[in-house]
Amino acid sequence: QSALTQPPSASGSPGQSVTISCTGTSNDVGGYNYVSWYQQHPGKAPKLMIYEVSKRPSGVPDRFSGSKSGNTASLTVSGLQAEDEADYYCISYAVSNPVIFGGGTKLTVL
Amino acid sequence: QITLKESGPTLVKPTQTLTLTCTFSGFSLSTSAVGVGWIRQPPGQALDWLALIYWDDDKRYSPSLKRRLTITKDTSKNQVVLTMADMDPVDTATYYCAHRDTAMETFDYWGQGTLVTVSS
Repeated sequence: QSALTQPPSASGSPGQSVTISCTGTSNDVGGYNYVSWYQQHPGKAPKLMIYEVSKRPSGVPDRFSGSKSGNTASLTVSGLQAEDEADYYCISYAVSNPVIFGGGTKLTVL
Repeated sequence: QITLKESGPTLVKPTQTLTLTCTFSGFSLSTSAVGVGWIRQPPGQALDWLALIYWDDDKRYSPSLKRRLTITKDTSKNQVVLTMADMDPVDTATYYCAHRDTAMETFDYWGQGTLVTVSS
């Protein structure tokens, strides 16, 4: 099973909104509402930001939102802040594997 | 409060077998809809899923690494063990274990990770 496709980089200025995409197939992203997004700062473990496409765990700011259309899921960060600068990974459940990762996107706050 | 911690060697030689232990608290692997997974991350690279074990002892492996991996659980000790055979320098990575909520199909709690270097 191929990895999910994410853009290698994204950027925005403080206060702006940025959207990161995660493209799969009908066997993973498009077939299940089990897409999660993780934030990872350098040297730290990943942190769950979004699960089941659009749900936020307790404690995650509502500046972070998730959506899905067809085989592509998206993470939107609104009102960008300096601390949002990190790597972001998507994961999906798939028909053949319980876990498929995206390649990661480095978000830079300009 | 759910916590997980990885332990094992920091250095292994090529061709050796790596054994990593994930010791957790705050949940039981005998409870339904729970699992523990292993994920690794080579330096500067992306996350890569390795294996997953469920409360009912169902086991799933990354297809590309399946022949080298074994995952087991010891419910009484709250531990999950991952072995990876025939280690190679390309297996140098930080190895994470994580709690899997099967209702949400997500890894919601992660350990801090342990760096394993493969070198002679």
